Amino acid sequence: GQNIDQPTEMTATEGAIVQINCTYQTSGFNGLFWYQQHAGEAPTFLSYNVLDGLEEKGRFSSFLSRSKGYSYLLLKELQMKDSASYLCAMVNSGTYKYIFGTGTRLKVLA
Amino acid sequence: GAVVSQHPSWVICKSGTSVKIECRSLDFQATTMFWYRQFPKQSLMLMATSNEGSKATYEQGVEKDKFLINHASLTLSTLTVTSAHPEDSSFYICSARGASGSPTDTQYFGPGTRLTVL
Repeated sequence: GQNIDQPTEMTATEGAIVQINCTYQTSGFNGLFWYQQHAGEAPTFLSYNVLDGLEEKGRFSSFLSRSKGYSYLLLKELQMKDSASYLCAMVNSGTYKYIFGTGTRLKVLA
Repeated sequence: GAVVSQHPSWVICKSGTSVKIECRSLDFQATTMFWYRQFPKQSLMLMATSNEGSKATYEQGVEKDKFLINHASLTLSTLTVTSAHPEDSSFYICSARGASGSPTDTQYFGPGTRLTVL
């Protein structure tokens, strides 16, 4: 079967670094996306990993280990506006559909 | 680039009426559009995949006669919730994938439509 799991909530302080983990199980894997979603808004694209390793984009980085079924999103120099839900989504290699995790609600405190 | 719009952004309707939601890709051609539903504090659940010029493919448990999808052009897909009931109240989000040919091309999401059925 397919399963994707991430923590429900996390809290961090402005200026700090936070790591949001995502683990998945699937019979066919073709990449993993991270999206940011503010309440009541649509998700916005953050990153895509299909090969093992770290992808860096400014304050955000995403890591993938296919052998471990594991990814994380790293947010540096946290800002208040980073308070949002972060969704990981794996791409099924058979259907190419996105399977979303439940999302991690991140609260950034002053 | 890669902007997707949805209309309306919110709608309130009476039980038993039908509601149409439009999804448009504004600056690219979308061969495939997806419709998701999201309940409060839950993740996005794929309802159906829509390819331009062909019938939509519905996920298990989604009634195709209740959620009518039309993808008449490369920039427009519509979702009609027929005979809406309070349990259909949700946040409906569409996404669009470009026409470059790769199935793993990024999906770009519309801003969502908040449907409340009284």
